[in-house]
Amino acid sequence: QVQLKESGPGPVQPSQTLSLTCTVSGFSLTSFSVHWVRQHSGKRLEWMGRVWSDGKTSYNSVFTSRLSISRDTSKSQVFLKMNSLQTEDTGTYYCARGIFYYHGSPFDYWGQGVMVTVSS
Amino acid sequence: DIVLTQSPALAVSLGQRATISCRASESVRSSVHWYQQKSGQQPKLLIHGASNLVSGVPARFSGSGSGTDFTFTIDPVEADDIATYYCHQSRSDPLTFGSGTKLEIK
Repeated sequence: QVQLKESGPGPVQPSQTLSLTCTVSGFSLTSFSVHWVRQHSGKRLEWMGRVWSDGKTSYNSVFTSRLSISRDTSKSQVFLKMNSLQTEDTGTYYCARGIFYYHGSPFDYWGQGVMVTVSS
Repeated sequence: DIVLTQSPALAVSLGQRATISCRASESVRSSVHWYQQKSGQQPKLLIHGASNLVSGVPARFSGSGSGTDFTFTIDPVEADDIATYYCHQSRSDPLTFGSGTKLEIK
């Protein structure tokens, strides 16, 4: 069945770089987009960016200067790297699969999320 | 950016109808989707394209609307429905979410 699972480093210090991995199963990265979404303390969900099925990426301009999303199709993994972390980047980070419909592209499967704490 | 506005909370008695609204700052056609997020869990897709029920989701969940005004309904509400509900637009980047409506039982 379709699954996504995030993994990450745990606590991160301010100004460091965050590296997260989303390992997927049950579908191919060449057929679906994968997105990163973060959530501060159970509050509003914030879309960060995506890697399309063709490997191209697009980002929320709020993060453009410090965010990078990439993938390794052979390992069924999607990567998030974000530099210059601040305490405001503390939150839960989700990867989610995007599915295309004529009327839009919702996220039909989500990972369980990984908690990232930015603290000195 | 397209802003989605939801009321923050709603209290409903068991067996009654719960109606949650989502208003977009500009037209998103039918590209609005609804998610349920229970405490400590990831969001779960319930409705896509404003009114299309995801397979396996109970028929007491429904959605309607187009353009800028959307409605999500649970009828009848059950105890297991306690959660926060988010609308999401995929009409244009950046993709955005409403701030969520927390459903409480009276």
